[in-house]
Amino acid sequence: KAGVTQTPRYLIKTRGQQVTLSCSPISGHRSVSWYQQTPGQGLQFLFEYFSETQRNKGNFPGRFSGRQFSNSRSEMNVSTLELGDSALYLCASSLGTGRANYGYTFGSGTRLTVV
Amino acid sequence: GNSVTQMEGPVTLSEEAFLTINCTYTATGYPSLFWYVQYPGEGLQLLLKATKADDKGSNKGFEATYRKETTSFHLEKGSVQVSDSAVYFCALTQYNFNKFYFGSGTKLNVKP
Repeated sequence: KAGVTQTPRYLIKTRGQQVTLSCSPISGHRSVSWYQQTPGQGLQFLFEYFSETQRNKGNFPGRFSGRQFSNSRSEMNVSTLELGDSALYLCASSLGTGRANYGYTFGSGTRLTVV
Repeated sequence: GNSVTQMEGPVTLSEEAFLTINCTYTATGYPSLFWYVQYPGEGLQLLLKATKADDKGSNKGFEATYRKETTSFHLEKGSVQVSDSAVYFCALTQYNFNKFYFGSGTKLNVKP
């Protein structure tokens, strides 16, 4: 079966712009989570969506937002980009919320570079 | 609170050497523990997991035992291969949470 698909794989944006990243979970998975990975901070939780509702949110400014559609696909948006937003953004899906002990399946990520 | 501490890397080994990557955790309640692996340019892949104390997770020759008394989940492999070169992440989550707490990652380099 198809894995978690993230698009685009690479993105270069200018400071002040906004960006939208997309994630399609494994078929049948209804929970989608987003993580930011940087060399300095490691893997940090952004947010989790289940059934189009945000269930959990990490400690990121309001410039970071997301949503989930009825087909479980998710998007995250970052507005007013800053240099420090340069990172690998990983999306992960699981069967359902509260099922994290089954393990996530991660996508390959979107590498965002802000210049 | 919840947190994971991993040994600093990089770890450099010769092929067929024994591998140990240390992981300790702090958690409330009864967490589930995981090891994920990240190959260059890729996302994270689940390597193994354990959901209760004394459970042993294993996969592809890797093993880790959930030790509640020492709050540890050390990763071991008896004989590493060059293809095992990657970054390894220890992680925990609590039942009914959908948020993972990751360690900082340990880079493993295996030389032929």
